[in-house]
Amino acid sequence: GQNIDQPTEMTATEGAIVQINCTYQTSGFNGLFWYQQHAGEAPTFLSYNVLDGLEEKGRFSSFLSRSKGYSYLLLKELQMKDSASYLCAVRDRDNAGNMLTFGGGTRLMVKP
Amino acid sequence: NAGVTQTPKFQVLKTGQSMTLQCAQDMNHEYMSWYRQDPGMGLRLIHYSVGAGITDQGEVPNGYNVSRSTTEDFPLRLLSAAPSQTSVYFCASTIDSSSGNTIYFGEGSWLTVV
Repeated sequence: GQNIDQPTEMTATEGAIVQINCTYQTSGFNGLFWYQQHAGEAPTFLSYNVLDGLEEKGRFSSFLSRSKGYSYLLLKELQMKDSASYLCAVRDRDNAGNMLTFGGGTRLMVKP
Repeated sequence: NAGVTQTPKFQVLKTGQSMTLQCAQDMNHEYMSWYRQDPGMGLRLIHYSVGAGITDQGEVPNGYNVSRSTTEDFPLRLLSAAPSQTSVYFCASTIDSSSGNTIYFGEGSWLTVV
């Protein structure tokens, strides 16, 4: 089965930088996704990594190390609207038709 | 462009009742799936389909049935609702299982079983 771990909660200050970590174990790694989910809403796509390294998209960046089974999402210049849950999800070609398996999510609270 | 449409958005059921959550997508996606989301547990895969006529079980399939008679529709049936099935349900679709293709989610269905 899958094992995806990320912190349950984090708190950061408006304007600061925060890093949300995710570790995973898969047999047939086929990509890692980060989703943002505001309370009461559906998840929305943030980033995708399949090769090692950093992917930057505006204020958000995502890093992947396949050898370490590790990823992080970096949020810069935090805004109040960034308060949400951040979901790490992995595609595994050996599991469930290559569907995404999600971690439990990290609830980020941004304070003034 | 409607994307992924789920109905109903909210539903209260009594224990033992049956119901169907509807899901439709207009993007001609082959892959569709149902997830449930419970507090602190992320999204867990219930059932999925890789094309019309093909379905398979995910991580938590017990108590649920699915069918995929058309590419567009992927209904989820609760056979005999139980309080443990109180959850938020998300339908999702993607064009195929290529690693870079993102998943599109419906808006969610909030189900309470009393």
